[in-house]
Amino acid sequence: NAGVTQTPKFQVLKTGQSMTLQCAQDMNHEYMSWYRQDPGMGLRLIHYSVGAGITDQGEVPNGYNVSRSTTEDFPLRLLSAAPSQTSVYFCASSYSYSELTYEQYFGPGTRLTVT
Amino acid sequence: SQQGEEDPQALSIQEGENATMNCSYKTSINNLQWYRQNSGRGLVHLILIRSNEREKHSGRLRVTLDTSKKSSSLLITASRAADTASYFCATDGGSNNAGNMLTFGGGTRLMVKP
Repeated sequence: NAGVTQTPKFQVLKTGQSMTLQCAQDMNHEYMSWYRQDPGMGLRLIHYSVGAGITDQGEVPNGYNVSRSTTEDFPLRLLSAAPSQTSVYFCASSYSYSELTYEQYFGPGTRLTVT
Repeated sequence: SQQGEEDPQALSIQEGENATMNCSYKTSINNLQWYRQNSGRGLVHLILIRSNEREKHSGRLRVTLDTSKKSSSLLITASRAADTASYFCATDGGSNNAGNMLTFGGGTRLMVKP
């Protein structure tokens, strides 16, 4: 299994540009999430999905859109990039192996710079 | 705002010493997890402790949980240079949790000197 994969690894955007960060997992996990990590800080949840066709907002959703058309893929779209979105973005997937306990598997991250 | 807060923010020790990191949180939880992040990499799950557990071991890792104080500690025994990384605690949202919504603390940066 490849686990959780993310593309691209690095990206530089100009203010106002849009782009999609790709995330895929091959573990048949129901749950997928997007986080952002700013320098010296922990992760903050952007959006998450509990299954194909179902998404919801996390702590910092503004400026981002997601969709979940398949179990495997969970792309994150930046609608109009702003310098405040400069960050490292992590995608994660998880499963439930007992009631209400979820270990998350993380991708390697996408380092995004908005100039 | 972050649910978990790690203490200390940075820790430097010599190889062979023990490293203790603490995490405090604010709301009720179903479980608390610890993750490790090597520089420039994604997070890797280390250990999960449920709210009805008080202590858990995994190799050189020992995690404790005190739900009355809303705190947890991660102990790494006999540290190695390869343990150098950032360590994060993460909590779920208790009874209102959607399952995969974790709230992360700011992390402890551990440096183990050879």
